[in-house]
Amino acid sequence: EAGVAQSPRYKIIEKRQSVAFWCNPISGHATLYWYQQILGQGPKLLIQFQNNGVVDDSQLPKDRFSAERLKGVDSTLKIQPAKLEDSAVYLCASSLSRGRFGELFFGEGSRLTVL
Amino acid sequence: AQTVTQSQPEMSVQEAETVTLSCTYDTSESNYYLFWYKQPPSRQMILVIRQEAYKQQNATENRFSVNFQKAAKSFSLKISDSQLGDTAMYFCAFMGSNTGNQFYFGTGTSLTVIP
Repeated sequence: EAGVAQSPRYKIIEKRQSVAFWCNPISGHATLYWYQQILGQGPKLLIQFQNNGVVDDSQLPKDRFSAERLKGVDSTLKIQPAKLEDSAVYLCASSLSRGRFGELFFGEGSRLTVL
Repeated sequence: AQTVTQSQPEMSVQEAETVTLSCTYDTSESNYYLFWYKQPPSRQMILVIRQEAYKQQNATENRFSVNFQKAAKSFSLKISDSQLGDTAMYFCAFMGSNTGNQFYFGTGTSLTVIP
């Protein structure tokens, strides 16, 4: 079974530039999450999708962050314009809506450095 | 709101010894799930063990076991016969049955296994 795929693995940009991250969840997983993990901290939920609908985006800085999950499969997270404090690892995770009570499967993450 | 607290930022253990990582949480929900996730250096996060709150029996997965104290809202992880491959960040996580599969993570404990 293929895991959660994310790209790019690493990205370095200057502040005020834009960046996009891509995630392809495990086939059949209806729920997709984007987390921000700042060095030394636990993952913080940015947005949660159920199929192609948003379940929770209360912690997404909507003035600069956007995310979409067209067709309920893969997803893109965009930051525009980036700030220094956006330097973090962006983790994508997916889970089945039912069955094995919500176990999360994570991708390897996309590490963003904003200079 | 749910909160998860890990009060040990760093821990170390000698190879083959036993170590316990602490986690406390706060919730008003009666039905929920608790997890320990492992994040090795530069690798993806994976599930170590999970516990359903309605089960009184503590979960066990090979060398990993938990001590779940529901009244005290405590969920510690015990690693027996520690191995070098156990070196990683460990995150405690909470998922409430009424919060739409949203996970709340602690800040993590960095565990180093010393040869």
